Amino acid sequence: NAGVTQTPKFRVLKTGQSMTLLCAQDMNHEYMYWYRQDPGMGLRLIHYSVGEGTTAKGEVPDGYNVSRLKKQNFLLGLESAAPSQTSVYFCASSLVTFGANTEAFFGQGTRLTVV
Amino acid sequence: AQSVTQLDSQVPVFEEAPVELRCNYSSSVSVYLFWYVQYPNQGLQLLLKYLSGSTLVKSINGFEAEFNKSQTSFHLRKPSVHISDTAEYFCAVSDRVNRDDKIIFGKGTRLHILP
Repeated sequence: NAGVTQTPKFRVLKTGQSMTLLCAQDMNHEYMYWYRQDPGMGLRLIHYSVGEGTTAKGEVPDGYNVSRLKKQNFLLGLESAAPSQTSVYFCASSLVTFGANTEAFFGQGTRLTVV
Repeated sequence: AQSVTQLDSQVPVFEEAPVELRCNYSSSVSVYLFWYVQYPNQGLQLLLKYLSGSTLVKSINGFEAEFNKSQTSFHLRKPSVHISDTAEYFCAVSDRVNRDDKIIFGKGTRLHILP
């Protein structure tokens, strides 16, 4: 059982380049989330989705876009990368509302460096 | 809006000694409370959660946390730590009344086990 899989695991970008991070889950979860983790800042929610075809902004959405064309996949895009987007990105999924009576499953993370 | 405060960014403790990781949340309304653990170079895993009922909740690896509504706290404790407990621990909260789709994480506490 793969759970939540993120690709790639590492990436180095030059300022201004674009890229897409892929999150795939095989648990038939409705809810999916993208977080970024920075030293001393904890986890901050970028965008989330409550079902196929829906997305919503989180705490720090600027500079990112997302799409949920298929239930099992949640893509995070950076159109023009900036050094401030250097971070570790985590995807998570849950069966129902994240905060409700359920467990959130996290991917292993993507370490992105923008130079 | 909900917020979570983890009072210690790092906690060093000797192996086999007891430990307490502190967590306070902002709202006095009904909440769900969680502790997640992140081992080095991994994603987050649910350690334990409080939804309702008994205010003392336990994990399978010896950790426990007590929900204290009057003090708006959910401190994590273990009577005797092991080197394998070295990790970063995140307290998290979501709003039960409004069933907000988002869960708010604290900034994390890094637990260092000293030999």
